[in-house]
Amino acid sequence: DAGVIQSPRHEVTEMGQEVTLRCKPISGHDYLFWYRQTMMRGLELLIYFNNNVPIDDSGMPEDRFSAKMPNASFSTLKIQPSEPRDSAVYFCASRQFSNQPQHFGDGTRLSIL
Amino acid sequence: AQKITQTQPGMFVQEKEAVTLDCTYDTSDQSYGLFWYKQPSSGEMIFLIYQGSYDEQNATEGRYSLNFQKARKSANLVISASQLGDSAMYFCAMREGRWGGSEKLVFGKGTKLTVNP
Repeated sequence: DAGVIQSPRHEVTEMGQEVTLRCKPISGHDYLFWYRQTMMRGLELLIYFNNNVPIDDSGMPEDRFSAKMPNASFSTLKIQPSEPRDSAVYFCASRQFSNQPQHFGDGTRLSIL
Repeated sequence: AQKITQTQPGMFVQEKEAVTLDCTYDTSDQSYGLFWYKQPSSGEMIFLIYQGSYDEQNATEGRYSLNFQKARKSANLVISASQLGDSAMYFCAMREGRWGGSEKLVFGKGTKLTVNP
């Protein structure tokens, strides 16, 4: 089975631009998670969905960040406008129902200049 | 207070020896789950092992085992017969509450393991 697929793998853009990160979860997984990893703050949960519905977005840093899941096989994380402090590795993860671990994608390394 | 504490920023081990990576956690829930993930230098996050709070036996997965001491709130990862490919960052994580409740995973800061030939 294919794992969680994220795109792009790397993104370099200038401050103020809109950034869109994409994720395709593992087929059949009901939960989808977006994480951010930085040296200072480690790995932190931004938002997660269950059956395409956002359940907990308390980790979203501010209104510049938004996430959607229009269907079971696709999710986006948008940053508009982007700032240098948004530079990080963004991971998407998914999992099935109870008692299963989260499976992570390879991440998107984002650099905002 | 930190939910997950990994006190060893870095660890070194000789190839073929065993190594223990420490993890302590803080929760008032009776139902919770503990996870270990490996992050090689290539960056991906790889699930290694899971321990539920009600599991009576320590979890094992191949060369990985979890030394779960509930009263001490510790969930140490033991890697037996270390291999060069085990060199990576290792993260301990906790999910609080019963399955079907919050799905939030809280991660520790990680331990960087280096396996020497």
